[in-house]
Amino acid sequence: QQPVQSPQAVILREGEDAVINCSSSKALYSVHWYRQKHGEAPVFLMILLKGGEQKGHDKISASFNEKKQQSSLYLTASQLSYSGTYFCGTFYAGGTSYGKLTFGQGTILTVHP
Amino acid sequence: NAGVTQTPKFQVLKTGQSMTLQCAQDMNHEYMSWYRQDPGMGLRLIHYSVGAGITDQGEVPNGYNVSRSTTEDFPLRLLSAAPSQTSVYFCASSYVVDGNTEAFFGQGTRLTVV
Repeated sequence: QQPVQSPQAVILREGEDAVINCSSSKALYSVHWYRQKHGEAPVFLMILLKGGEQKGHDKISASFNEKKQQSSLYLTASQLSYSGTYFCGTFYAGGTSYGKLTFGQGTILTVHP
Repeated sequence: NAGVTQTPKFQVLKTGQSMTLQCAQDMNHEYMSWYRQDPGMGLRLIHYSVGAGITDQGEVPNGYNVSRSTTEDFPLRLLSAAPSQTSVYFCASSYVVDGNTEAFFGQGTRLTVV
C-alpha cells in the first residue's frame, strides 16, 4: 500500500517556501525523501527514522511524526534547482512488509524566476 | 564506480513478445528492487530481493518474473508483453534491508509495448 502525498503539485516563485506531506495508514519504521528531475533517476535527499527526528539538508529539511505516521518535507527560500518531482518512500515496521521500500505518487514542484 | 546499471535504455516490443530488463550493481548491495513509473502513479514496487536467492512480490507483480542468482544482478522478465506494461522501469539497490540506508537508482528503461 503506497503512502499518500499532498499536494500533488506546487508552483512557487524563487525565494518562496513549500511543504510536502507524506502520510501512511501503516506503522512506519523510516521515511525516505527523493527528488527526480525530468528524464532522470530519483536522487536521495534524506532518511528519517522513527523517533520524531528532524533532519536538514541545506535549505531542505524534514520531520517525522511517528504517532501520526506522517512526514513533512520543508523547502525554504526555494531556488530554480529545486524544481522536480519529490517522492516519499516508506519502510514499514516488521511483519510481512520487511524489506519493502514503497513510494508515494509524487509531488511536482515548479519554481519560477 | 558504475553504481546501478540498467540495460537497455529504450525498448519497443510487440504485444506478446518476451524480454528481460537487465539490472546490475557493483556496490555489493544486499537489497535490490524494481519499480515502474507511470504518470500520476508514482513509483510502484514490482518485485524486490533482500539477498541472493531471495525474492518477493511488491505491489504490482503480475506479468513480471524475477530471479537473483548473484548479489550483483537482478533481471526483470516480461513473459508476454502487454500494452499496459508500457512504462519507465527503474531498478534500485541499497546496502542493507533495514531501511536505514539510501537507495541508488539506475537511469531507467523506457519500454513501449505496441
